[in-house]
Amino acid sequence: DAGITQSPRHKVTETGTPVTLRCHQTENHRYMYWYRQDPGHGLRLIHYSYGVKDTDKGEVSDGYSVSRSKTEDFLLTLESATSSQTSVYFCASGGLANEQFFGPGTRLTVL
Amino acid sequence: KNEVEQSPQNLTAQEGEFITINCSYSVGISALHWLQQHPGGGIVSLFMLSSGKKKHGRLIATINIQEKHSSLHITASHPRDSAVYICAVKEGTGNQFYFGTGTSLTVIP
Repeated sequence: DAGITQSPRHKVTETGTPVTLRCHQTENHRYMYWYRQDPGHGLRLIHYSYGVKDTDKGEVSDGYSVSRSKTEDFLLTLESATSSQTSVYFCASGGLANEQFFGPGTRLTVL
Repeated sequence: KNEVEQSPQNLTAQEGEFITINCSYSVGISALHWLQQHPGGGIVSLFMLSSGKKKHGRLIATINIQEKHSSLHITASHPRDSAVYICAVKEGTGNQFYFGTGTSLTVIP
């Protein structure tokens, strides 16, 4: 499996506070993705990146922003966390062959 | 948006049984991905396919492009196969994957 790590792995925060999740990959993959996973829903794409400084929105991007200043790092920021953003967040990366490799996930609770 | 449906949602099998999990999608795709998620959350890639059939150990994945349907088969199932199996599709030249809600498999010894 590709080397993909996420930090933090668990976070509890309060409504209205900013939160940044980090994804780091060591495979030199071009594509990186942020998903959220909620009961009753499949994984849903928040944002993705197709290169350094190149990002695009997914289907549930409202309230989230991303940045990719280096190939290996993809940051997800919740500018002002809300309870509806309580979820498990997965990062994934992939090359041109389409296959995605997932990080271990971050469990975020917004009180 | 591609609608991805998996069936069944939940499946319980006895050890040794042959298992089939189905995935249907609504719009033509360029690739289909089968993933496995164990309790505790880690997601592992099983297969990536765009046509035909692939086999890895006791797992077999097939896809019928005309019928917009894929199946994941597990032969001689084992309790360690207990997990959620997720189907994801990628459309044409796009960069987004669309995911099914998963099939929860429990294999009883």
